[in-house]
Amino acid sequence: DTAVSQTPKYLVTQMGNDKSIKCEQNLGHDTMYWYKQDSKKFLKIMFSYNNKELIINETVPNRFSPKSPDKAHLNLHINSLELGDSAVYFCASSQRILLGGREKNEQYFGPGTRLTVT
Amino acid sequence: KNQVEQSPQSLIILEGKNCTLQCNYTVSPFSNLRWYKQDTGRGPVSLTIMTFSENTKSNGRYTATLDADTKQSSLHITASQLSDSASYICVVNTRNYGGSQGNLIFGKGTKLSVKP
Repeated sequence: DTAVSQTPKYLVTQMGNDKSIKCEQNLGHDTMYWYKQDSKKFLKIMFSYNNKELIINETVPNRFSPKSPDKAHLNLHINSLELGDSAVYFCASSQRILLGGREKNEQYFGPGTRLTVT
Repeated sequence: KNQVEQSPQSLIILEGKNCTLQCNYTVSPFSNLRWYKQDTGRGPVSLTIMTFSENTKSNGRYTATLDADTKQSSLHITASQLSDSASYICVVNTRNYGGSQGNLIFGKGTKLSVKP
């Protein structure tokens, strides 16, 4: 049983195209995330989302938009793809747990989607 | 500015040896600190997560320490194995208020190579 799954695993497309990456989690978590990992392996959060709140990293271009049909899915749609969008995109999920007033939401990551824009 | 700095950038050790990875942070307000292991071509996997009051936490051969006063953490790997070869990422979560999510501040990782 895969906890967090993403499709496709690899995506090669041309500049200017629109594409989507799908993410599903079967952990019953209330929060999902999208991350971008560039060629230098630096992970950067793009969005975090639960049924109450969407938090957008302000450095993310508005060509990127998360879409959540339900609590178990958070898809990433990208318009007008650019060369600089080439990266590995990771989806993650977590369940917010407060212990002694401290948040302790462990994240579970998907396997990643390697996007190559040519 | 919230930052997480990791050292060294990369490390090569022989199988069976111990090693320690460092993480310094300037994140405020602090909620928790996590260490992740990321194998090549895979998503990160959580090793430990520590809150303010936790000084040390172990997960098998991995032991993480946290000094909230000096804002430093370390990840010690005992009796390294070839399968420990991976990137190790330190992540600090800022405290959340009023139900809002905290922010996750990622370090750039330490790439560990364990050689036979």
